[in-house]
This record gives sequence, structure tokens and C-alpha cells, in this order.
Amino acid sequence: AQSVAQPEDQVNVAEGNPLTVKCTYSVSGNPYLFWYVQYPNRGLQFLLKYITGDNLVKGSYGFEAEFNKSQTSFHLKKPSALVSDSALYFCAVRDSGNEKLTFGTGTRLTIIP
Amino acid sequence: GAVVSQHPSWVICKSGTSVKIECRSLDFQATTMFWYRQFPKQSLMLMATSNEGSKATYEQGVEKDKFLINHASLTLSTLTVTSAHPEDSSFYICSAREYSSYEQYFGPGTRLTVT
Repeated sequence: AQSVAQPEDQVNVAEGNPLTVKCTYSVSGNPYLFWYVQYPNRGLQFLLKYITGDNLVKGSYGFEAEFNKSQTSFHLKKPSALVSDSALYFCAVRDSGNEKLTFGTGTRLTIIP
Repeated sequence: GAVVSQHPSWVICKSGTSVKIECRSLDFQATTMFWYRQFPKQSLMLMATSNEGSKATYEQGVEKDKFLINHASLTLSTLTVTSAHPEDSSFYICSAREYSSYEQYFGPGTRLTVT
């Protein structure tokens, strides 16, 4: 079985400050990890993924995430938040032998001007 | 980049009628397509997985006779909500995956409201 936990329903960050959105996972095999962003009444936009290789993954819009195998975490980060980063963020995982993605419950990120 | 479209983007229908939602991969061949349902302020719940030319695989608890999925070509999958009821009102999102790709590319979603 595979699962994802996003422990924070809501994260508020002042514009210009660094932001972190947390994600932990559980899989039986090797994890494939993803971050997506969703704006109101829209589908999901891909931000970044970890499949293998360097633990620090860089993605779209200045976002990055660090894969930590020992802590089974894949936290999303950005050095300097923009108001336009305000949205709903989903972490997702699948293991290497499963084509289905399992999503976390989502974290609403609000950047305060 | 890979683009997935959905049509319609929103639809209102009367209780008891059927509604068809289309999901198209515009610039790649999607051997596998997924249909998700998202309730307000909740995560995405996988409804079914469809592979081109074969029957869809439904997740536990999803009524396959109510949510008919057809993946007739490598670029098109359809979801038909039959005899819709107000509790079927939701945001439906499809995604598509190329053969051997790690990623799913998501459509913009369809808002269904059943009155």
C-alpha cells in the first residue's frame, strides 16, 4: 500500500519569505514523488518530480523539493514567496511497480503581501 | 509540453439525465488515462484507470454501471455519468500517461452540477 501525508491544511507566509510545504510518504518499493499545484476551479499543474538521482529536485516557478529517504519526506520549498504562489498544493506518490498515484489531502498556501 | 484537454469545462444537467465528459491528449499518445473525482476542499480520489482498447479498471466503491468509461483511441477517453443525481455533482479531472512515462498530465477539470 502507498500513502501520502500533508500534515498542514493551511500555510501562511509573508511575501518574500521562504516557504516550506511538508509531505511524508509510505511505499513498499522505490518511491516516485510528485508535487502539483491547483488554482481555483482548475486542474493540476505539475511542479516537479523525484524518480532517482540527486535528492534536491528543482522544478517550475522557482520551486524545489528535497527527497529524504530516512525521514520518508519530500518537502516543497521556495526561497522567496510571491503572492501569485497562493494556491492549493498536492504531494503525490507511487511506487515503481504501481501506475496509480496516491495524493495527499492538499495544503492551502497563502502568501501575505 | 504534454497537453490534456477536457470538454466541457462545466456542465449543468437535470437529475436522471446522462452526461458525457471527454478527455483528450493533444500532443501525445496516451496509453493510459485516469479519471479522478474531487469534492470541495478535498483531495483527488481515483475513480478508474483505462487503457486504450480494453475495459477500464474501477476503484473499490465506484459503480462501473453508473460511471461508464471508454478509451476508444490513444488520444481520447470519455466518462459518462449515467442517470445523474445531485450527489454526483463534483469536479471531475482526467489525466493521461504515455507508455513508459513516469508522469501523468492532468486536464483542466470539468465541473458537473446536477439539479
